[in-house]
Amino acid sequence: AQSVTQPDIHITVSEGASLELRCNYSYGATPYLFWYVQSPGQGLQLLLKYFSGDTLVQGIKGFEAEFKRSQSSFNLRKPSVHWSDAAEYFCAVGPMEYGNKLVFGAGTILRVKS
Amino acid sequence: NAGVTQTPKFQVLKTGQSMTLQCAQDMNHEYMSWYRQDPGMGLRLIHYSVGAGITDQGEVPNGYNVSRSTTEDFPLRLLSAAPSQTSVYFCASSLLAGAYEQYFGPGTRLTVT
Repeated sequence: AQSVTQPDIHITVSEGASLELRCNYSYGATPYLFWYVQSPGQGLQLLLKYFSGDTLVQGIKGFEAEFKRSQSSFNLRKPSVHWSDAAEYFCAVGPMEYGNKLVFGAGTILRVKS
Repeated sequence: NAGVTQTPKFQVLKTGQSMTLQCAQDMNHEYMSWYRQDPGMGLRLIHYSVGAGITDQGEVPNGYNVSRSTTEDFPLRLLSAAPSQTSVYFCASSLLAGAYEQYFGPGTRLTVT
């Protein structure tokens, strides 16, 4: 069965610093990969997705992620963090056959200090 | 265009009570799903539907029922609430059951005492 691991439960970065959130997945083939963000008390918003093609994908709010097949990873990055980026971030994987049946990681809570 | 709406926002139930969480979307999406979110566990799929009249189980279906009589609505029924069902419930929809973005509702926070 597929699984998603987000090794960092909490991350604190200074405003203006760079950010990398880690995501590793376990799946037998190339899955669909997603990053979602959840602000407190809100639903989830899609940041970016990878289905095929270029392994570096750009998303909203200045985020990008790189798919590395050899490492089964899909890490999220942002060059300069803003205070408004404080939220919880979820990596998710969906099997090719069913697409939308997503398996989520446990999430990483990002704190931004000024 | 309201997107995905969920009612109620908050609910407290006693053990053994039943209730229905409502979910509606106005985007003419064929695919709809229910997730529950628990601390440290991310979101887990409860049930999903690929179109009106078609539903299937996800990862954690026990204790929940669904039906899909219209494209717009996908209610989730708790048959006999248990404290283990205390959670935040999210409904999501996407255009089709494939490589499409899922849109999430704002969630329902359920407490079972």
